Amino acid sequence: RKEVEQDPGPFNVPEGATVAFNCTYSNSASQSFFWYRQDCRKEPKLLMSVYSSGNEDGRFTAQLNRASQYISLLIRDSKLSDSATYLCVVTRSSASKIIFGSGTRLSIRP
Amino acid sequence: DTGVSQDPRHKITKRGQNVTFRCDPISEHNRLYWYRQTLGQGPEFLTYFQNEAQLEKSRLLSDRFSAERPKGSFSTLEIQRTEQGDSAMYLCASSLARTSGSNEQFFGPGTRLTVL
Repeated sequence: RKEVEQDPGPFNVPEGATVAFNCTYSNSASQSFFWYRQDCRKEPKLLMSVYSSGNEDGRFTAQLNRASQYISLLIRDSKLSDSATYLCVVTRSSASKIIFGSGTRLSIRP
Repeated sequence: DTGVSQDPRHKITKRGQNVTFRCDPISEHNRLYWYRQTLGQGPEFLTYFQNEAQLEKSRLLSDRFSAERPKGSFSTLEIQRTEQGDSAMYLCASSLARTSGSNEQFFGPGTRLTVL
């Protein structure tokens, strides 16, 4: 079993829709959580950190559920430019390696 | 451009040859990471440095792989006796170690290696 698991998708949704992804992690000692975005043939870029209290950045909302060991990403009013692969990232300590999920592909159609 | 840079961007080599990649991190960042990414997968951690010290290595980093960061600035990743299974995108990232808060990693554009 992978330490960080994501539904690979693809999610194909119309522009303006709301879409949500989940990511599960197996190590209860995990401490920090992130969502990264990766465009085709580009490097990953940080989308947002995920805090225990949940956090929002414009159309994006991230949630953390430590009891069930999953994090989620909600995208509201999706735009064509949101089409990308979304990578769930988990770390065990600030000095440790970070572990990427395999990513969820999102395609927004006009 | 003050981001992370990697060189070369593409490398095609024959099986059995040695290759070396370079990464220049963001100048004030003291941590540097190497990852490998294959199609349809997320990046897989290979190794990381804090300043010039190599603090952690993945089991993925076989004896054919070696990484250095001699002066705590740029880093090199060498693969000896390349195999076709080494074909992948090799990503470098850097971050600034913080005692609290996010340690956001900034990625370079990667070096795409093709082993024929």
